[in-house]
Amino acid sequence: TQLLEQSPQFLSIQEGENLTVYCNSSSVFSSLQWYRQEPGEGPVLLVTVVTGGEVKKLKRLTFQFGDARKDSSLHITAAQPGDTGLYLCVEGGYQKVTFGTGTKLQVIP
Amino acid sequence: GAVVSQHPSRVICKSGTSVKIECRSLDFQATTMFWYRQFPKQSLMLMATSNEGSKATYEQGVEKDKFLINHASLTLSTLTVTSAHPEDSSFYICSATPGQGGNYGYTFGSGTRLTVV
Repeated sequence: TQLLEQSPQFLSIQEGENLTVYCNSSSVFSSLQWYRQEPGEGPVLLVTVVTGGEVKKLKRLTFQFGDARKDSSLHITAAQPGDTGLYLCVEGGYQKVTFGTGTKLQVIP
Repeated sequence: GAVVSQHPSRVICKSGTSVKIECRSLDFQATTMFWYRQFPKQSLMLMATSNEGSKATYEQGVEKDKFLINHASLTLSTLTVTSAHPEDSSFYICSATPGQGGNYGYTFGSGTRLTVV
């Protein structure tokens, strides 16, 4: 399975800080999903982006899809301890799934 | 929303025995399900794509005789780890999509923590 490149790999920040996670590919995404996974659990879907340049907001989370559909970012404003987890970008078609390398976020109270 | 149930959540087995993990789509039909393996602090690695009524498609490096996949119905896929060894200890996760995965997203099971002693 080809992995999408995510950065940073690890991030430890204080509560209230802002952060951005990036997901990059050398090829064009058909569509992209962002998931958050907590230890011992399966990933949970946060958002799906399809159109180049698309921006979606989910409370304090802002997702952006690059104009060329080869990159995406996740921005968290005023991070909370509950945001702690592994963030994964995923490109998936009907029969093929490509995962990001993952970003492990820790928000310290 | 779409729900995928995975069972058991944790299993401990002796080396040399086989373990079966079930993945069920509870409120939708899934012609395709995916099985992953995850090592600590790492992303998910796709093991195989399970197709209802046909043979699974395995990723390179995954032993199909060791990781048996059966997708006998549109709501159930099973992964059997045969003759398990300690190196098979891992977190196994399944996922399914109710439609054309890219736009519908994938629903993941809650995972199975396998420990082989």
